[in-house]
Amino acid sequence: GQSLEQPSEVTAVEGAIVQINCTYQTSGFYGLSWYQQHDGGAPTFLSYNGLDGLEETGRFSSFLSRSDSYGYLLLQELQMKDSASYFCAVRDGGQGGKLIFGQGTELSVKP
Amino acid sequence: GAGVSQSPSNKVTEKGKDVELRCDPISGHTALYWYRQSLGQGLEFLIYFQGNSAPDKSGLPSDRFSAERTGGSVSTLTIQRTQQEDSAVYLCASSPHRVVRYGYTFGSGTRLTVV
Repeated sequence: GQSLEQPSEVTAVEGAIVQINCTYQTSGFYGLSWYQQHDGGAPTFLSYNGLDGLEETGRFSSFLSRSDSYGYLLLQELQMKDSASYFCAVRDGGQGGKLIFGQGTELSVKP
Repeated sequence: GAGVSQSPSNKVTEKGKDVELRCDPISGHTALYWYRQSLGQGLEFLIYFQGNSAPDKSGLPSDRFSAERTGGSVSTLTIQRTQQEDSAVYLCASSPHRVVRYGYTFGSGTRLTVV
C-alpha cells in the first residue's frame, strides 16, 4: 500500500521561507503532488514532481528525490494568505489515477 | 461549468436516514473522484470513475455507501442508514484524464452532519 508522512503543524513569520517535508512509501511510484486547502475551502492543486529535482512556480517550489522517497514544498516570501493546510499525495500503485493523500500540514503565518 | 459543483453544500440528517450527494464535474473531464475529509484530517479516498471503465470502489467504507455516474457526467454518492461516524465533508474532484500531473479540480464539498 501507500503511506505518506508530513509534519502536522508548521509556524513561520511573514516574509520568511518555510519548507514542508513529505516522505512516502509506495508500491511503484508515479509522481508526488502538492495541494493547498484553506479553512473550509476546496483543495487546490499546487505542483507535481515526476522526476528528481526542483519545480518552481512563483513563490512556491517543490522538490523530489526518488532515491530517498522524499519531497518537500518550499514557500518563499511568506504572506498571511499562505496560512492553510498543505497535502502531499502520491498516485496509487494500482490501476487508475487516484491519489492517496497525506494527513496534511497546517501552516500558520504570523505577522 | 467553470468548476466542479457539489450540492447540497450542507446537509443535516437524522441517524438512520439515507442521503444523496451530488457532483457535477467540469465538462469534458473523464475522471471523477469522491473523497471524505473528517475534521482536521486528510482526504480519504472513496471511489473513482474513469470514462466507461468499471469504477474503483476500493475506498468505500461499508456497503451502506454507493455511487453512480450517469452519462459520464454527473455523479451521486448515496449513503444509506447514516451513522454519526459518517459526519464529514464529502469532496468530489474531476480531472481531464487519469494522469495526475495535471492535478485534480475539487468542488467545495458537502458538509454532512448526522444527528
